[in-house]
Amino acid sequence: DTGVSQDPRHKITKRGQNVTFRCDPISEHNRLYWYRQTLGQGPEFLTYFQNEAQLEKSRLLSDRFSAERPKGSFSTLEIQRTEQGDSAMYLCASSRLISYNEQFFGPGTRLTVL
Amino acid sequence: TQLLEQSPQFLSIQEGENLTVYCNSSSVFSSLQWYRQEPGEGPVLLVTVVTGGEVKKLKRLTFQFGDARKDSSLHITAAQPGDTGLYLCAGEGHHMRFGAGTRLTVKP
Repeated sequence: DTGVSQDPRHKITKRGQNVTFRCDPISEHNRLYWYRQTLGQGPEFLTYFQNEAQLEKSRLLSDRFSAERPKGSFSTLEIQRTEQGDSAMYLCASSRLISYNEQFFGPGTRLTVL
Repeated sequence: TQLLEQSPQFLSIQEGENLTVYCNSSSVFSSLQWYRQEPGEGPVLLVTVVTGGEVKKLKRLTFQFGDARKDSSLHITAAQPGDTGLYLCAGEGHHMRFGAGTRLTVKP
């Protein structure tokens, strides 16, 4: 399967713990995006990378959130000191630079903060 | 406030019926995407429309981009239970801006 993959698919954690999610994009895609989706809403943009450079961050991305894409391939999203309001589906997508409006999504990581 | 407003929010129909869902905005988009999302999964890209007035067909699904490139519609002919899902429209930018979606249920 050469699509976007995410790990883990589900994560349950206690408030105050740190969590880290991983995304492996489609191999030839330069751009990688992170979104968050809550129940009844469409995905909301968090941040995106072009190769290893993080080019834009949403104001939704508080200082407890950090994302990396160290070698321009896979990416990690870390949430420190999780809060119940962080419970959501975290989606990763990737695209080619030339067709950035056609993004291919992974299956998501469902985070539940107790 | 959603940049992209989708209607209806929920739609439940019988197999074989036709339906149309809408995506509206006050902004002009150079392209607009439609995605379908099933529970517990990520959105799957269905189509991209680029030109004002453009119509694209994907089997029983017909997508139209408004002449002013501010709105779009998705029409499904003879809906089937497999069409059940959340239909999302998204406008282009360096990051996609999504509507809240139309949740479609097709009953057998």
